[in-house]
Amino acid sequence: EAGVTQFPSHSVIEKGQTVTLRCDPISGHDNLYWYRRVMGKEIKFLLHFVKESKQDESGMPNNRFLAERTGGTYSTLKVQPAELEDSGVYFCASSQSRADSYEQYFGPGTRLTVT
Amino acid sequence: RKEVEQDPGPFNVPEGATVAFNCTYSNSASQSFFWYRQDCRKEPKLLMSVYSSGNEDGRFTAQLNRASQYISLLIRDSKLSDSATYLCVVNHYFGNEKLTFGTGTRLTIIP
Repeated sequence: EAGVTQFPSHSVIEKGQTVTLRCDPISGHDNLYWYRRVMGKEIKFLLHFVKESKQDESGMPNNRFLAERTGGTYSTLKVQPAELEDSGVYFCASSQSRADSYEQYFGPGTRLTVT
Repeated sequence: RKEVEQDPGPFNVPEGATVAFNCTYSNSASQSFFWYRQDCRKEPKLLMSVYSSGNEDGRFTAQLNRASQYISLLIRDSKLSDSATYLCVVNHYFGNEKLTFGTGTRLTIIP
């Protein structure tokens, strides 16, 4: 079974540009999460989708970040316009909806550098 | 105060030794507790869940003390392959909700 995949693995952009990150969860996983780790800090939650609906977006830093999950399959996270402080590693995770199985499986992350 | 606090280390431990990590959490309503392992430039992977009664998985033992809001991880007979960052992770609910991470404790096993 394929794991969570993310694209691209690395992205280097200039301040003010736009970047779109993509996450493909494990097939059949209704729950999809975005997390971010900035340099020297802990991994922090950004938002949670259940299928195509945003369940919790309390961690989104500001309105420059837009996440979508059309059709309840893959998700995109767009940063527009990017700022220097957006640099970090963006992780996506997915999990099943069963009450007895909620382990979150993480993707390899997208390393974003804003210069 | 951070929601989940860990000693960042680094812990440099000789192969075969026993090492213990601790973690404290601030939200007394937290329900689920985990240890994740993260190798350099890789994604976090679940090492083990932590239950109130304590649980063991091979060389790894996890303990939870709800009264003190404290979680521990013990690694016995450490191997070179145990070198990684160990993340203490808390979930405020049972089920599919956001995870709250500590900054991680870096462990290096020395041959």
